[in-house]
Amino acid sequence: QKEVEQNSGPLSVPEGAIASLNCTYSDRGSQSFFWYRQYSGKSPELIMSIYSNGDKEDGRFTAQLNKASQYVSLLIRDSQPSDSATYLCAVRSGGYQKVTFGTGTKLQVIP
Amino acid sequence: DGGITQSPKYLFRKEGQNVTLSCEQNLNHDAMYWYRQDPGQGLRLIYYSQIVNDFQKGDIAEGYSVSREKKESFPLTVTSAQKNPTAFYLCTSSPSGGYFEAFFGQGTRLTVV
Repeated sequence: QKEVEQNSGPLSVPEGAIASLNCTYSDRGSQSFFWYRQYSGKSPELIMSIYSNGDKEDGRFTAQLNKASQYVSLLIRDSQPSDSATYLCAVRSGGYQKVTFGTGTKLQVIP
Repeated sequence: DGGITQSPKYLFRKEGQNVTLSCEQNLNHDAMYWYRQDPGQGLRLIYYSQIVNDFQKGDIAEGYSVSREKKESFPLTVTSAQKNPTAFYLCTSSPSGGYFEAFFGQGTRLTVV
């Protein structure tokens, strides 16, 4: 079992819809969770970080964490074509330095 | 402007050659990391450093070497022992205190010719 799993996609949603991206992780001791957006050929940029169970909202983005189910998700409301990118889930567990990335989900927002 | 600067953006390596990728940050972050990204794969940790003059191997350190002589700088050398070096290399830094809100440099795309 991979430490951090994401569906590779592509996930296609129409413009204005809600995009839902999911991530599961294997280490129950994981402490911090991050979502990065990566455009083709570019480096990842941090969108959201979440550390406790529940929802965290920032503009059109909402991160949801459920530690009991070992599940973290990212919702993008009112999706725009500019949101089309690969979204990487990252999980910190164990020691301070151990951060594991998923392989990413490619999102396509159709105008 | 605060941030992380990687150079060069593109790098070509001949067989048997060592090459060094530069990473500089002016964010006053204690920790710095090198990751490698291959198509269809997530980021894999090569080396990390939490303080000056100290660094640890990550998951795929074989064929790579690093140094951390200054807080601002964490260069990565891809040695000839790395048999498949073609990849996208990413440097990140983060503040100390257990939080990994990492900021990435622009990346270096290394190709073997």
